[in-house]
Amino acid sequence: NAGVTQTPKFQVLKTGQSMTLQCAQDMNHNSMYWYRQDPGMGLRLIYYSASEGTTDKGEVPNGYNVSRLNKREFSLRLESAAPSQTSVYFCASRENRGAIYGYTFGSGTRLTVV
Amino acid sequence: TQLLEQSPQFLSIQEGENLTVYCNSSSVFSSLQWYRQEPGEGPVLLVTVVTGGEVKKLKRLTFQFGDARKDSSLHITAAQPGDTGLYLCAGEAGGSYIPTFGRGTSLIVHP
Repeated sequence: NAGVTQTPKFQVLKTGQSMTLQCAQDMNHNSMYWYRQDPGMGLRLIYYSASEGTTDKGEVPNGYNVSRLNKREFSLRLESAAPSQTSVYFCASRENRGAIYGYTFGSGTRLTVV
Repeated sequence: TQLLEQSPQFLSIQEGENLTVYCNSSSVFSSLQWYRQEPGEGPVLLVTVVTGGEVKKLKRLTFQFGDARKDSSLHITAAQPGDTGLYLCAGEAGGSYIPTFGRGTSLIVHP
């Protein structure tokens, strides 16, 4: 099925460890996004990529880095995980043609930092 | 920063009741989207509205975009347990393709 695939689905890290969250979409979308979702805080944008080769900071970029590897893949890296980064992370993609097209989300990565 | 305020934050109702969820802002949006998120899953797009005053219907769900394009509402008629979930609104300004999300309305429909 077409869509956004995120790996892993669950991860537990110790403080200071690093990891990369992977995201791939097969809809030929230009824009890709990384969000975190915390109780009572809604979805907050970490980084986004409007097109292959470009990345920009969102609302909460500190402690994260991203790579737009190609048009399909957009990865999120935590260099030195902190307990404050415990969250559910969602990758999303969007077609840049017209406002009628919404965002397609992956099923999320549930990250716990202990 | 553009803010989207959703209300109510929580809603617990019985099957068959009607409900309305609101999404308000002081900013003008070129489009507004509604999503439903079920536990353990990502948000799924329900509808996009782009014209002030626009009304869209999706079975028992009715979506309205305010005339000034600053607010929107979602009305569910005769709610069913399958409607349970987190409802999120998201607005885009001027073709930016960077949405602002509301914090969501958590709906529980009891059988």
